[in-house]
Amino acid sequence: QQQVKQSPQSLIVQKGGISIINCAYENTAFDYFPWYQQFPGKGPALLIAIRPDVSEKKEGRFTISFNKSAKQFSLHIMDSQPGDSATYFCAASQIPLNSGGYQKVTFGIGTKLQVIP
Amino acid sequence: DAGVIQSPRHEVTEMGQEVTLRCKPISGHNSLFWYRQTMMRGLELLIYFNNNVPIDDSGMPEDRFSAKMPNASFSTLKIQPSEPRDSAVYFCASSFELALSTDTQYFGPGTRLTVL
Repeated sequence: QQQVKQSPQSLIVQKGGISIINCAYENTAFDYFPWYQQFPGKGPALLIAIRPDVSEKKEGRFTISFNKSAKQFSLHIMDSQPGDSATYFCAASQIPLNSGGYQKVTFGIGTKLQVIP
Repeated sequence: DAGVIQSPRHEVTEMGQEVTLRCKPISGHNSLFWYRQTMMRGLELLIYFNNNVPIDDSGMPEDRFSAKMPNASFSTLKIQPSEPRDSAVYFCASSFELALSTDTQYFGPGTRLTVL
């Protein structure tokens, strides 16, 4: 069962355009929503993250929009550049009950972004 | 810091052979995670250690998989016997704190395993 649904699975955007990746979740216990960026041959790296009490967070060209009532969140990459070409994972995090307190991260399937010149 | 270190980076083996993947977490981190990444299922958590103790191994697919963390600076993931469906990229990640859902997990470069 995929707890975090991500779309699209692949995306091609022209340089200078806006890249938009969408995610949806069901579990209302999730309380932290990070996005990871993964380049070929590398491990995922944290890009930007948001808590559900905020509707938007912006860091440079990257913006997360969060809709708590709809249980949806999205990543917008403004002025997309060829160097942004990578796979992007949305994720949702929680501390499960009776877990000993560890952070359990559930990842979306990933979106392969290609920014063409 | 060198980041999370994994070895080998690539492993090709034949079905039935034992495979051991290795991980050195970032110094000072007390949480360690093993993930498996495939095209079909994305990133899946296999097992989590805190202070060298396995806390949650519910993601380990079957008894052929085992993981150990003998000390704070080393962990292994073993598959015995390996099968072609185990082919995937295996990531190790570590983080500093335990109790915050906001703690960042730092991923290693991964081990690409191919079982023929």
